[in-house]
Amino acid sequence: GQNIDQPTEMTATEGAIVQINCTYQTSGFNGLFWYQQHAGEAPTFLSYNVLDGLEEKGRFSSFLSRSKGYSYLLLKELQMKDSASYLCAVSESGGSYIPTFGRGTSLIVHP
Amino acid sequence: GAVVSQHPSWVICKSGTSVKIECRSLDFQATTMFWYRQFPKQSLMLMATSNEGSKATYEQGVEKDKFLINHASLTLSTLTVTSAHPEDSSFYICSAADRAQPQHFGDGTRLSIL
Repeated sequence: GQNIDQPTEMTATEGAIVQINCTYQTSGFNGLFWYQQHAGEAPTFLSYNVLDGLEEKGRFSSFLSRSKGYSYLLLKELQMKDSASYLCAVSESGGSYIPTFGRGTSLIVHP
Repeated sequence: GAVVSQHPSWVICKSGTSVKIECRSLDFQATTMFWYRQFPKQSLMLMATSNEGSKATYEQGVEKDKFLINHASLTLSTLTVTSAHPEDSSFYICSAADRAQPQHFGDGTRLSIL
């Protein structure tokens, strides 16, 4: 089984940088995903990390440390439209490609 | 990129009716499709996993006779909510994946049972 922990809610100012952390405990690790979900909509894939390190994709970056069971999603130059829920999901090893989702972090960006 | 189409987007129906939701992968063959349910302000909860041509694997607590899943081809899976009741009202989301793709989600179906 898995235990995924991320903050429930965060607030930030437009134009700033915000880091959303995710810690996990799993018996075997097969990758970590970040998704963005706007209210009333389905999640949108943001990133996938399977090796340690930082993956950068435009304004969004995702970091993984497998030894620490830790990841973060970094959002730069925040925009109002970045207000959404950010879901951390972990896939276990052993042949399964099915990630388990955390409860999500609700990010509120204000002017 | 990969696109998953889910239909319908909204369903409002009377208690006791059955509702079918379709999920299609449009530009890749999805070996596996997933069905999730999400209640307001809660996380996605996996209901079942379906592989093409075989029976779906249901998560604990999900009634397989109530939530019928058919995965007839590599691009289509359907979820039928049988004899729906108000407590079945929720946001149902499908996703599709294969070994080369992370999960990509459909737009979801908002089901309201009166």
